[in-house]
Amino acid sequence: AQSVTQPDIHITVSEGASLELRCNYSYGATPYLFWYVQSPGQGLQLLLKYFSGDTLVQGIKGFEAEFKRSQSSFNLRKPSVHWSDAAEYFCAVGAFFGSDMRFGAGTRLTVKP
Amino acid sequence: DGGITQSPKYLFRKEGQNVTLSCEQNLNHDAMYWYRQDPGQGLRLIYYSQIVNDFQKGDIAEGYSVSREKKESFPLTVTSAQKNPTAFYLCASGTGANTGELFFGEGSRLTVL
Repeated sequence: AQSVTQPDIHITVSEGASLELRCNYSYGATPYLFWYVQSPGQGLQLLLKYFSGDTLVQGIKGFEAEFKRSQSSFNLRKPSVHWSDAAEYFCAVGAFFGSDMRFGAGTRLTVKP
Repeated sequence: DGGITQSPKYLFRKEGQNVTLSCEQNLNHDAMYWYRQDPGQGLRLIYYSQIVNDFQKGDIAEGYSVSREKKESFPLTVTSAQKNPTAFYLCASGTGANTGELFFGEGSRLTVL
């Protein structure tokens, strides 16, 4: 089965600084890759997804992610972080049909004023 | 508005009692999922269902049971056999059309006293 590793449990950045959240996956074939965001006590919202084609994908709220097959990575980036971006971010990998989606442990983002 | 409704939002249970968490969706999605979320462990798959009257165990199904009698509904019962049931439970649904994107409810927090 596929699996996901998010190496950073907690990241703190200053408002206006750039952000990169790391995600590494394990899967034998081309995966479906996702980034979700969760505000405290809430469900998850999809930021962006990758299935095929252009390896740089754009999402909502100014986020982007790049799929690198050689590194089995799908890192999330944002050029300039806003205080409202403080939340927990989850990387996920699916096989097909979403029937077997696996999530990473999450990275909590704190934004300093 | 279309979406996923979980209830109750907060639930307290005494040890030895079964409790059922409700999940209803009006998105006309075929697939539905239950995840458990614990701090530092991300989301772990309990059960999922791709079609009415059919469901499969996820990674941590022991101590839980589900039913899928209607397309819109996927209730989860936390039984007394679940050794550590205190957690945040998330229900999700998906189209099943190879997009893999999941839509989440706002979650139910279960506390065992």
